[in-house]
Amino acid sequence: LAKITQPISMDSYEGQEVNITCSHNNIATNDYITWYQQFPSQGPRFIIQGYKTKVTNEVASLFIPADRKSSTLSLPRVSLSDTAVYYCLVGFNTGGFKTIFGAGTRLFVKA
Amino acid sequence: NAGVTQTPKFQVLKTGQSMTLQCAQDMNHNSMYWYRQDPGMGLRLIYYSASEGTTDKGEVPNGYNVSRLNKREFSLRLESAAPSQTSVYFCASSGRLAPYEQYFGPGTRLTVT
Repeated sequence: LAKITQPISMDSYEGQEVNITCSHNNIATNDYITWYQQFPSQGPRFIIQGYKTKVTNEVASLFIPADRKSSTLSLPRVSLSDTAVYYCLVGFNTGGFKTIFGAGTRLFVKA
Repeated sequence: NAGVTQTPKFQVLKTGQSMTLQCAQDMNHNSMYWYRQDPGMGLRLIYYSASEGTTDKGEVPNGYNVSRLNKREFSLRLESAAPSQTSVYFCASSGRLAPYEQYFGPGTRLTVT
């Protein structure tokens, strides 16, 4: 099983770009990398998913180097409402998606 | 469209009691999941069901049983609750075309005394 390491917390200011890096050294060939956002007292919410190289959607980008031992979630121009916990997951498709969560990175965005 | 619903929202049990946590989704998803989240930690997968009629163990299955009652419903049972099972339990579901995109319920906060 993949072991996932991510920073415990990060601070940023409104309007800055935030990059959160996750380490998953023993990721398997058929594992995908996914990131979720969680606000207090709510379930996590899907942000972005990737396998290799770069993926971009309307809210974030995900950078995955060729060796896939790490990944970086990039949030452009954060706002106060982006204050949340961000989880890195790896998982593989078995029909469903068997996942391992990282411990989460608490992002605090200041005015 | 309610998404993923969970009942109850809160529950207090005494050690040794049993209970079932209910989960239902209305998105016609094939796969469903049960996670637990302990304070300051990420979510850990207890059991999942890739499709109706199948269930499989996750990272922390001991002390739990599950039933995939039909495509919509996936229940989690604690046969003999222990204080170590005090946690917030989340149910999630995902569709066949995007299995990595899971939709989560609001959670059940369980305390075992």
